[in-house]
Amino acid sequence: QQQVKQSPQSLIVQKGGISIINCAYENTAFDYFPWYQQFPGKGPALLIAIRPDVSEKKEGRFTISFNKSAKQFSLHIMDSQPGDSATYFCAASGFSGSARQLTFGSGTQLTVLP
Amino acid sequence: EAQVTQNPRYLITVTGKKLTVTCSQNMNHEYMSWYRQDPGLGLRQIYYSMNVEVTDKGDVPEGYKVSRKEKRNFPLILESPSPNQTSLYFCASKSTNEKLFFGSGTQLSVL
Repeated sequence: QQQVKQSPQSLIVQKGGISIINCAYENTAFDYFPWYQQFPGKGPALLIAIRPDVSEKKEGRFTISFNKSAKQFSLHIMDSQPGDSATYFCAASGFSGSARQLTFGSGTQLTVLP
Repeated sequence: EAQVTQNPRYLITVTGKKLTVTCSQNMNHEYMSWYRQDPGLGLRQIYYSMNVEVTDKGDVPEGYKVSRKEKRNFPLILESPSPNQTSLYFCASKSTNEKLFFGSGTQLSVL
């Protein structure tokens, strides 16, 4: 049962272009939506996160857009650079019983061509 | 430096030979977790621990054991590894503001 669906699986963008990765969730109890960035040979690292009380959060070239009614959120990378080439995971967090749990999407491998 | 350290980075073993992957964090986090990463499946949680002596199953716990005797350490034990446990494993700890800190990963191959 995949609670967070992520697309596309892979994405190729030219330098300077906009990269867009989409995620959809099912559980309305989710209340925290982070994105993690993973470079080859490294563990994932938190990139940016949003809570559902806002529809957008921007940090530098990275923006999360959040649509609560559609249960969707997306990551936009403006002016994409070759150094942005990595795997990106969306995630959703909420309480399951007494414990807060984080569920990851399946990941998107982004390649930015020079 | 705040970090999660897991060892070894690479491990090749044979079916049925017990192994342990160690994990240690220096951030005094109460929550620790193990994930496996497989192509097309993302990160799936194996086990987690909310504090010392408190562990619970994640989404894919079959074939794995964990223990949490100390706050900083959270080893992953495969008592009888099988080829379907060939994967990339990550240990993580979580801060109070929900940020996960991951180790560098352990690539396990079970022959």
